Amino acid sequence: DQQVKQNSPSLSVQEGRISILNCDYTNSMFDYFLWYKKYPAEGPTFLISISSIKDKNEDGRFTVFLNKSAKHLSLHIVPSQPGDSAVYFCAASGDFGNEKLTFGTGTRLTIIP
Amino acid sequence: GAGVSQSPSNKVTEKGKDVELRCDPISGHTALYWYRQSLGQGLEFLIYFQGNSAPDKSGLPSDRFSAERTGGSVSTLTIQRTQQEDSAVYLCASSLASSGGAANTQYFGPGTRLTVL
Repeated sequence: DQQVKQNSPSLSVQEGRISILNCDYTNSMFDYFLWYKKYPAEGPTFLISISSIKDKNEDGRFTVFLNKSAKHLSLHIVPSQPGDSAVYFCAASGDFGNEKLTFGTGTRLTIIP
Repeated sequence: GAGVSQSPSNKVTEKGKDVELRCDPISGHTALYWYRQSLGQGLEFLIYFQGNSAPDKSGLPSDRFSAERTGGSVSTLTIQRTQQEDSAVYLCASSLASSGGAANTQYFGPGTRLTVL
């Protein structure tokens, strides 16, 4: 039962354009969402997060949007840079008493110079 | 500042042997998590520590897997009688607290790549 889904395994975007990564979830108890970026042979690096009481959070080139009614969130990167090429994981946590993260399967983003 | 560290970075072992994986969390982080990522899969939760106790072990795949944490700091994940399906990258993360929201932002170590031959 995949509670967090990233339906696009890969995405290619031209340098300077906007990258949009999508994530859907099924568990309405999730109340905190995070995006992690992962390079090969490294652990995931925290990128940006959003609480369920908000619908948008922005940090520099990165913006996360949350649509609670659709149980959908997205990560926008603009402008995309070659260093953004990595695997991006969406993760969610809820008030389950332990805040463990449930991860999607990741989207490999390739920025084309 | 020091992040989460894990050792060893790589471990190759023979089927049936026991292995120990170590995690040093960020200083002051009370919550510690173990995850694993098998080939082509997402990250899978294994176990969570709050201080030295493990309120949630629900992700441990079998009784061959155990973990402990001492002094509210270092944690060790032990896999007994390893099997080939245990081959994966084992990741440790820590967070300031487990009370939800931003305090739960988890910071990951580089992982230990375990290969069972």
